[in-house]
Amino acid sequence: GENVEQHPSTLSVQEGDSAVIKCTYSDSASNYFPWYKQELGKGPQLIIDIRSNVGEKKDQRIAVTLNKTAKHFSLHITETQPEDSAVYFCAANTRLQGAQKLVFGQGTRLTINP
Amino acid sequence: GAGVSQSPSNKVTEKGKDVELRCDPISGHTALYWYRQSLGQGLEFLIYFQGNSAPDKSGLPSDRFSAERTGGSVSTLTIQRTQQEDSAVYLCASSLVGQGAAQPQHFGDGTRLSIL
Repeated sequence: GENVEQHPSTLSVQEGDSAVIKCTYSDSASNYFPWYKQELGKGPQLIIDIRSNVGEKKDQRIAVTLNKTAKHFSLHITETQPEDSAVYFCAANTRLQGAQKLVFGQGTRLTINP
Repeated sequence: GAGVSQSPSNKVTEKGKDVELRCDPISGHTALYWYRQSLGQGLEFLIYFQGNSAPDKSGLPSDRFSAERTGGSVSTLTIQRTQQEDSAVYLCASSLVGQGAAQPQHFGDGTRLSIL
Protein backbone atom coordinates (compact mmCIF):
# COMPACT_ATOMS: atom_id res chain seq x y z
CA GLY A 1 0.00 0.00 0.00
CA GLU A 2 0.89 3.66 -0.15
CA ASN A 3 3.43 5.12 2.28
CA VAL A 4 4.02 8.86 2.65
CA GLU A 5 7.09 10.29 4.37
CA GLN A 6 7.24 13.96 5.37
CA HIS A 7 10.22 16.11 6.36
CA PRO A 8 11.12 17.99 8.44
CA SER A 9 8.97 17.25 11.48
CA THR A 10 9.59 20.78 12.80
CA LEU A 11 10.63 23.92 10.97
CA SER A 12 11.34 27.37 12.33
CA VAL A 13 11.85 30.36 10.02
CA GLN A 14 12.07 34.12 10.37
CA GLU A 15 9.07 36.14 9.29
CA GLY A 16 9.44 37.09 5.64
CA ASP A 17 11.65 34.12 4.79
CA SER A 18 10.54 31.08 2.77
CA ALA A 19 9.59 27.68 4.13
CA VAL A 20 9.81 24.37 2.27
CA ILE A 21 8.29 21.06 3.35
CA LYS A 22 9.01 17.86 1.44
CA CYS A 23 7.15 14.58 1.04
CA THR A 24 7.86 11.31 -0.72
CA TYR A 25 5.37 8.63 -1.68
CA SER A 26 5.69 4.99 -2.66
CA ASP A 27 2.71 4.17 -4.90
CA SER A 28 3.47 5.10 -8.52
CA ALA A 29 -0.29 4.97 -9.24
CA SER A 30 -0.95 7.94 -6.93
CA ASN A 31 -2.13 10.95 -8.91
CA TYR A 32 -3.54 13.41 -6.36
CA PHE A 33 -1.50 15.24 -3.72
CA PRO A 34 -3.21 17.67 -1.32
CA TRP A 35 -1.68 19.77 1.43
CA TYR A 36 -3.50 20.60 4.65
CA LYS A 37 -2.92 23.21 7.33
CA GLN A 38 -4.04 22.41 10.86
CA GLU A 39 -4.27 25.04 13.56
CA LEU A 40 -4.58 24.20 17.23
CA GLY A 41 -7.97 22.75 18.09
CA LYS A 42 -9.14 22.80 14.48
CA GLY A 43 -9.52 20.22 11.75
CA PRO A 44 -7.13 20.10 8.78
CA GLN A 45 -7.89 22.73 6.14
CA LEU A 46 -7.07 22.10 2.50
CA ILE A 47 -4.71 24.85 1.29
CA ILE A 48 -3.57 23.57 -2.11
CA ASP A 49 -3.54 20.38 -4.13
CA ILE A 50 -1.89 19.12 -7.29
CA ARG A 51 -2.65 16.35 -9.74
CA SER A 52 -0.06 14.31 -11.56
CA ASN A 53 -0.68 15.92 -14.93
CA VAL A 54 1.08 19.13 -13.81
CA GLY A 55 4.47 19.79 -12.24
CA GLU A 56 3.73 22.97 -10.31
CA LYS A 57 0.79 24.92 -8.98
CA LYS A 58 0.73 28.32 -7.29
CA ASP A 59 -1.79 30.20 -5.19
CA GLN A 60 -0.52 33.56 -4.00
CA ARG A 61 2.30 32.84 -1.49
CA ILE A 62 1.85 29.08 -1.65
CA ALA A 63 3.18 26.74 -4.32
CA VAL A 64 3.44 22.99 -4.69
CA THR A 65 5.85 21.12 -6.96
CA LEU A 66 5.62 17.49 -8.04
CA ASN A 67 8.31 15.19 -9.40
CA LYS A 68 6.58 11.98 -10.51
CA THR A 69 9.79 10.28 -11.53
CA ALA A 70 11.34 10.71 -8.10
CA LYS A 71 7.97 10.34 -6.37
CA HIS A 72 8.27 13.43 -4.27
CA PHE A 73 6.36 16.67 -3.88
CA SER A 74 7.02 19.84 -1.92
CA LEU A 75 5.16 22.77 -0.39
CA HIS A 76 6.73 26.21 -0.69
CA ILE A 77 5.54 29.18 1.34
CA THR A 78 7.09 32.53 0.49
CA GLU A 79 7.10 35.77 2.50
CA THR A 80 6.04 33.88 5.61
CA GLN A 81 3.79 35.58 8.15
CA PRO A 82 3.04 34.75 11.81
CA GLU A 83 -0.38 33.38 10.80
CA ASP A 84 1.38 30.72 8.73
CA SER A 85 2.41 29.06 12.01
CA ALA A 86 0.57 25.71 12.13
CA VAL A 87 1.03 21.99 11.46
CA TYR A 88 1.11 21.09 7.78
CA PHE A 89 0.25 17.65 6.38
CA CYS A 90 0.89 16.26 2.93
CA ALA A 91 -1.12 13.37 1.53
CA ALA A 92 -1.27 11.10 -1.49
CA ASN A 93 -4.22 9.16 -2.84
CA THR A 94 -4.44 5.44 -3.22
CA ARG A 95 -7.18 3.32 -4.72
CA LEU A 96 -9.68 1.85 -2.32
CA GLN A 97 -12.32 -0.43 -3.77
CA GLY A 98 -12.65 1.74 -6.83
CA ALA A 99 -12.75 4.95 -4.80
CA GLN A 100 -10.04 7.17 -3.41
CA LYS A 101 -8.35 7.12 -0.03
CA LEU A 102 -5.74 9.55 1.28
CA VAL A 103 -2.59 8.48 3.09
CA PHE A 104 -1.10 11.28 5.19
CA GLY A 105 2.42 12.20 6.17
CA GLN A 106 3.27 12.64 9.82
CA GLY A 107 3.07 16.43 9.72
CA THR A 108 5.45 19.40 9.98
CA ARG A 109 5.13 21.91 12.78
CA LEU A 110 5.99 25.28 11.22
CA THR A 111 6.84 28.19 13.48
CA ILE A 112 7.26 31.71 12.10
CA ASN A 113 9.42 33.87 14.33
CA PRO A 114 8.60 37.60 14.27
CA GLY B 1 -22.88 26.57 8.01
CA ALA B 2 -21.75 24.75 4.91
CA GLY B 3 -18.88 22.78 6.41
CA VAL B 4 -18.55 19.37 8.04
CA SER B 5 -20.05 19.42 11.52
CA GLN B 6 -18.95 17.09 14.32
CA SER B 7 -20.38 16.62 17.79
CA PRO B 8 -19.59 16.64 20.58
CA SER B 9 -16.46 18.78 20.27
CA ASN B 10 -15.11 17.25 23.48
CA LYS B 11 -15.99 14.03 25.28
CA VAL B 12 -14.60 12.78 28.58
CA THR B 13 -15.65 9.33 29.73
CA GLU B 14 -14.58 6.55 32.01
CA LYS B 15 -12.77 3.47 30.81
CA GLY B 16 -15.20 0.73 29.86
CA LYS B 17 -18.03 3.04 28.80
CA ASP B 18 -19.40 3.22 25.24
CA VAL B 19 -19.20 6.47 23.27
CA GLU B 20 -20.92 7.68 20.13
CA LEU B 21 -19.49 10.39 17.90
CA ARG B 22 -21.49 12.17 15.23
CA CYS B 23 -20.58 13.61 11.84
CA ASP B 24 -22.79 15.70 9.58
CA PRO B 25 -21.11 15.98 6.15
CA ILE B 26 -21.33 18.75 3.59
CA SER B 27 -24.64 18.57 1.77
CA GLY B 28 -24.30 16.64 -1.48
CA HIS B 29 -21.07 14.88 -0.51
CA THR B 30 -21.57 11.16 -1.01
CA ALA B 31 -18.21 10.11 0.39
CA LEU B 32 -17.55 10.21 4.13
CA TYR B 33 -14.37 9.29 5.99
CA TRP B 34 -13.40 8.84 9.63
CA TYR B 35 -9.82 9.36 10.83
CA ARG B 36 -8.11 9.20 14.20
CA GLN B 37 -5.37 11.60 15.22
CA SER B 38 -3.39 10.77 18.33
CA LEU B 39 -1.52 13.55 20.14
CA GLY B 40 1.13 15.04 17.88
CA GLN B 41 0.59 12.40 15.21
CA GLY B 42 -0.70 12.20 11.67
CA LEU B 43 -4.10 11.05 10.55
CA GLU B 44 -4.94 7.36 10.73
CA PHE B 45 -7.68 6.17 8.37
CA LEU B 46 -10.52 4.28 10.08
CA ILE B 47 -13.48 3.78 7.74
CA TYR B 48 -14.95 5.04 4.47
CA PHE B 49 -18.54 5.28 3.20
CA GLN B 50 -19.59 5.96 -0.38
CA GLY B 51 -23.23 6.14 -1.32
CA ASN B 52 -24.97 2.78 -0.92
CA SER B 53 -21.81 0.72 -1.28
CA ALA B 54 -20.58 -1.45 1.57
CA PRO B 55 -18.25 0.62 3.76
CA ASP B 56 -14.54 -0.08 3.80
CA LYS B 57 -13.69 -0.90 7.41
CA SER B 58 -10.09 -1.85 6.82
CA GLY B 59 -8.73 0.84 9.15
CA LEU B 60 -10.81 0.05 12.24
CA PRO B 61 -8.31 -0.96 14.97
CA SER B 62 -10.53 -3.51 16.75
CA ASP B 63 -14.05 -4.94 16.82
CA ARG B 64 -14.90 -2.42 19.56
CA PHE B 65 -15.09 0.19 16.80
CA SER B 66 -18.07 0.42 14.45
CA ALA B 67 -19.68 3.08 12.30
CA GLU B 68 -22.84 3.57 10.36
CA ARG B 69 -24.20 6.11 7.97
CA THR B 70 -27.95 6.54 7.89
CA GLY B 71 -29.73 7.80 4.80
CA GLY B 72 -26.46 8.52 3.08
CA SER B 73 -25.86 11.59 5.23
CA VAL B 74 -25.13 11.65 8.97
CA SER B 75 -22.62 9.15 10.30
CA THR B 76 -21.97 7.89 13.81
CA LEU B 77 -18.78 6.26 15.05
CA THR B 78 -19.28 4.05 18.09
CA ILE B 79 -16.54 2.84 20.39
CA GLN B 80 -17.58 0.13 22.86
CA ARG B 81 -15.85 -0.64 26.14
CA THR B 82 -13.47 2.28 25.74
CA GLN B 83 -9.80 1.90 26.65
CA GLN B 84 -7.28 4.62 27.54
CA GLU B 85 -5.49 4.09 24.24
CA ASP B 86 -8.68 5.22 22.47
CA SER B 87 -7.99 8.78 23.66
CA ALA B 88 -7.46 10.86 20.51
CA VAL B 89 -9.11 13.37 18.21
CA TYR B 90 -11.59 11.71 15.87
CA LEU B 91 -11.92 13.58 12.59
CA CYS B 92 -14.58 13.25 9.94
CA ALA B 93 -14.21 14.34 6.33
CA SER B 94 -16.51 14.35 3.33
CA SER B 95 -16.01 14.73 -0.40
CA LEU B 96 -17.69 14.48 -3.74
CA VAL B 97 -16.98 11.34 -5.74
CA GLY B 98 -15.29 11.77 -9.10
CA GLN B 99 -15.16 9.32 -11.94
CA GLY B 100 -11.73 7.81 -11.38
CA ALA B 101 -10.36 11.07 -9.96
CA ALA B 102 -9.74 11.83 -6.31
CA GLN B 103 -11.77 14.70 -4.90
CA PRO B 104 -10.72 17.10 -2.12
CA GLN B 105 -11.66 15.98 1.35
CA HIS B 106 -13.06 18.59 3.71
CA PHE B 107 -12.66 18.06 7.44
CA GLY B 108 -14.67 18.92 10.50
CA ASP B 109 -12.98 20.19 13.66
CA GLY B 110 -13.10 16.78 15.28
CA THR B 111 -14.18 15.29 18.59
CA ARG B 112 -11.49 15.25 21.27
CA LEU B 113 -12.05 12.03 23.21
CA SER B 114 -10.46 11.54 26.62
CA ILE B 115 -10.73 8.21 28.43
CA LEU B 116 -10.09 8.42 32.17
